[in-house]
Amino acid sequence: EVQLVESGGGLVQPGRSLKLSCAASGFTFSNYGMAWVRQTPTKGLEWVASISTGGGNTYYRDSVKGRFTISRDNAKNTQYLQMDSLRSEDTATYYCARHPPGYLNWFAYWGQGTLVTVSS
Amino acid sequence: DIQMTQSPASLSASLEEIVTITCQASQDIGNWLAWYQQKPGKSPQLLIYGATSLADGVPSRFSGSRSGTQYSLKISRLQVEDPGIYYCLQGYSAPLTFGSGTKLEIK
Repeated sequence: EVQLVESGGGLVQPGRSLKLSCAASGFTFSNYGMAWVRQTPTKGLEWVASISTGGGNTYYRDSVKGRFTISRDNAKNTQYLQMDSLRSEDTATYYCARHPPGYLNWFAYWGQGTLVTVSS
Repeated sequence: DIQMTQSPASLSASLEEIVTITCQASQDIGNWLAWYQQKPGKSPQLLIYGATSLADGVPSRFSGSRSGTQYSLKISRLQVEDPGIYYCLQGYSAPLTFGSGTKLEIK
């Protein structure tokens, strides 16, 4: 059974940093691209970033480029999202998601989400 | 960015009724379209990918279709477990973008 378990969310002040983790199990992690997607009541669902199987290719939405870094450790079956210079508009539930094999075009599985609140 | 215009925003239907939700893409996205169902307090679940392919474990009453840049999700006979919010996603080009969602309720 595919499982994706996020951790690391919480309350953080504007301008500070936070690092999310996603522990994967139930599949061969190194064979799949991974992603982060966030959700708010006002903006809905937003793709944040994706990473290829080996980590050599990364992709970001414009609003997080230069502030967020997606990475993965295939030996630990874990992906990460380092979030720096956080803004109030980054407040959201962040989901870890797995792409289908060979593609970075949709999300086949999602974690349960972790809430990030950016507020002073 | 590719815009996905989803309609209706909300929908109330009776059990066994046919339900259709649509997404209009702002440009050609081919078959790079997926549909998701989200229930309260849960993460989205994949229903349809490639515009028309049913995801593993999804009941056959769900189906997807395409006409040009308009995409539809059909539930052939609404069941008690089907209420939730439905989203489309275009996977043609980055940034991947979602529709605004359709809230489906049982009448």
